[in-house]
Amino acid sequence: GAVVSQHPSRVICKSGTSVKIECRSLDFQATTMFWYRQFPKQSLMLMATSNEGSKATYEQGVEKDKFLINHASLTLSTLTVTSAHPEDSSFYICSAIDRGRFAKNIQYFGAGTRLSVL
Amino acid sequence: DAKTTQPNSMESNEEEPVHLPCNHSTISGTDYIHWYRQLPSQGPEYVIHGLTSNVNNRMASLAIAEDRKSSTLILHRATLRDAAVYYCILRRETSGSRLTFGEGTQLTVNP
Repeated sequence: GAVVSQHPSRVICKSGTSVKIECRSLDFQATTMFWYRQFPKQSLMLMATSNEGSKATYEQGVEKDKFLINHASLTLSTLTVTSAHPEDSSFYICSAIDRGRFAKNIQYFGAGTRLSVL
Repeated sequence: DAKTTQPNSMESNEEEPVHLPCNHSTISGTDYIHWYRQLPSQGPEYVIHGLTSNVNNRMASLAIAEDRKSSTLILHRATLRDAAVYYCILRRETSGSRLTFGEGTQLTVNP
């Protein structure tokens, strides 16, 4: 149980294009979803927190107009990297909290999306 | 968030126990101790968490010092699949589910 699916696993795009990454909780309803970014040989950095039906809360230094987050349902959150540039190349990872087990506050992570911007 | 300190790397031999230490001297009474691990090129995976008492699950054991200023994640019999970066994270109850990842410990398991 508690499976989070992230799609695509890898994407290569041209500079200036937008890329959408999907994060789905497959067997549970997610109260809250998180988006992280991880550069090579570095730790995960939290980008934003999204709650179903409300606006995402972005961490300091993360441009909300560049990284658009939509959490339209209890099982789906999307991250759109708008006008991507080479410096946006990174490993993007989502996670979700199981609504039914919210009290445990355990995050279940997707497998990540490796974005390469040429 | 209270800070944790972990060794950058550790080595172990297959089928031997592994003790991964974590120092958190500024922990507060409402901070939970969470452990996650990340295998290469994958998202992190929850391992275990606790507040004051030692905890066991099918993956590992968590030993928490009496003063809570340190904890140890115990893998009872390391396998090659346990090679990963292990993160010790303090989660403050008032911050909800938010986690702040540090650098973690890179565990190498030798065959």
